[in-house]
Amino acid sequence: RKEVEQDPGPFNVPEGATVAFNCTYSNSASQSFFWYRQDCRKEPKLLMSVYSSGNEDGRFTAQLNRASQYISLLIRDSKLSDSATYLCVVTPGGSYIPTFGRGTSLIVHP
Amino acid sequence: DTGVSQDPRHKITKRGQNVTFRCDPISEHNRLYWYRQTLGQGPEFLTYFQNEAQLEKSRLLSDRFSAERPKGSFSTLEIQRTEQGDSAMYLCASSLIAGNTGELFFGEGSRLTVL
Repeated sequence: RKEVEQDPGPFNVPEGATVAFNCTYSNSASQSFFWYRQDCRKEPKLLMSVYSSGNEDGRFTAQLNRASQYISLLIRDSKLSDSATYLCVVTPGGSYIPTFGRGTSLIVHP
Repeated sequence: DTGVSQDPRHKITKRGQNVTFRCDPISEHNRLYWYRQTLGQGPEFLTYFQNEAQLEKSRLLSDRFSAERPKGSFSTLEIQRTEQGDSAMYLCASSLIAGNTGELFFGEGSRLTVL
């Protein structure tokens, strides 16, 4: 089983739609969780950290479910510019090595 | 520009040749990571440094790969006797020890094509 698993998609949604991605992780001792965004042929960039209490940044909401070992990302009112690959990142406890999922591709169309 | 810089951005080489990539991290960052990414996959960890010490190396990393960070500043990643399977984007990232582990700042990457 991979350490971090994501549905690669693509998720194809119209502008204005709400879309959600999940990511599961295998190491129950994982301590740090993040979502990164990667545009085509560009480097990954941090989108947001995921805290135990969940967090929201504008149209983006991230949540952590430790019991079920998954994190989620919700995007409301999708924009064309949200089209990208969203990478789930998990750092196990005691490790300094962030582990990336394969990414979920989002395509927002007019 | 005070971000992470990588050089060269693109490298095309023939199988069997050696290649070297350079990464200049954000100046105050003490951790430096190398990842490899192929099409449709997420970045795969290769190795990381804390200051000049190489603290961990992926078990999947062939002994043809070597990395250094001699003065705790820039780093080099060398691939000897390249194979076609080495074709990928090589990403460097840096972070602060005091920062939240996982908050990485990536360079634009060095794309390697092995013919």
